Amino acid sequence: AQTVTQSQPEMSVQEAETVTLSCTYDTSESNYYLFWYKQPPSRQMILVIRQEAYKQQNATENRFSVNFQKAAKSFSLKISDSQLGDTAMYFCAFMESGAGSYQLTFGKGTKLSVIP
Amino acid sequence: EPEVTQTPSHQVTQMGQEVILRCVPISNHLYFYWYRQILGQKVEFLVSFYNNEISEKSEIFDDQFSVERPDGSNFTLKIRSTKLEDSAMYFCASRDGRSEEEKLFFGSGTQLSVL
Repeated sequence: AQTVTQSQPEMSVQEAETVTLSCTYDTSESNYYLFWYKQPPSRQMILVIRQEAYKQQNATENRFSVNFQKAAKSFSLKISDSQLGDTAMYFCAFMESGAGSYQLTFGKGTKLSVIP
Repeated sequence: EPEVTQTPSHQVTQMGQEVILRCVPISNHLYFYWYRQILGQKVEFLVSFYNNEISEKSEIFDDQFSVERPDGSNFTLKIRSTKLEDSAMYFCASRDGRSEEEKLFFGSGTQLSVL
């Protein structure tokens, strides 16, 4: 079974600064997807960024980028130029590809606070 | 952008009562899911649904739970006899299943409170 570990329950960052959220996972699969979801106080789950394991290049979406280290099974999220609206819970998630129902396995989340 | 919609946003019920949570997945998606999140905990998979049948379910999804796609647009989660521990945010999600870019789109959730 896959497991996803987020070792930082809470983090804070000053507005306009950069912050990195950590995520490690455990799997025996070679092909899979990794995601970061944002959950603001409204509790909606919003997809931030997605990475395919077979792609070497790290995914980027505007101010959000990942550092994907497949051998180390690490998938960290970097938020540049942090904004107050980035305050939220951030969940790392794993999805096996190629077979099955493509269910997501989530980590426990990191609560990020952006300080003005 | 198309959205997964869920109703109601909040549901309060008495222990032992039946509840039905409703979802309208994105119209051309083929795979549908229910997840739940107990307050302060991580999001957990409940069930996946494809081609009008359950394709996978977790240990949480016991006989008290059922899912249905009664028509071409709705996808429902029924809890037959609610327990206090069923109090949680329930998220519906859908996935195209034909795209190279696999993404799961979540609804805004239904907060279920069992009293």
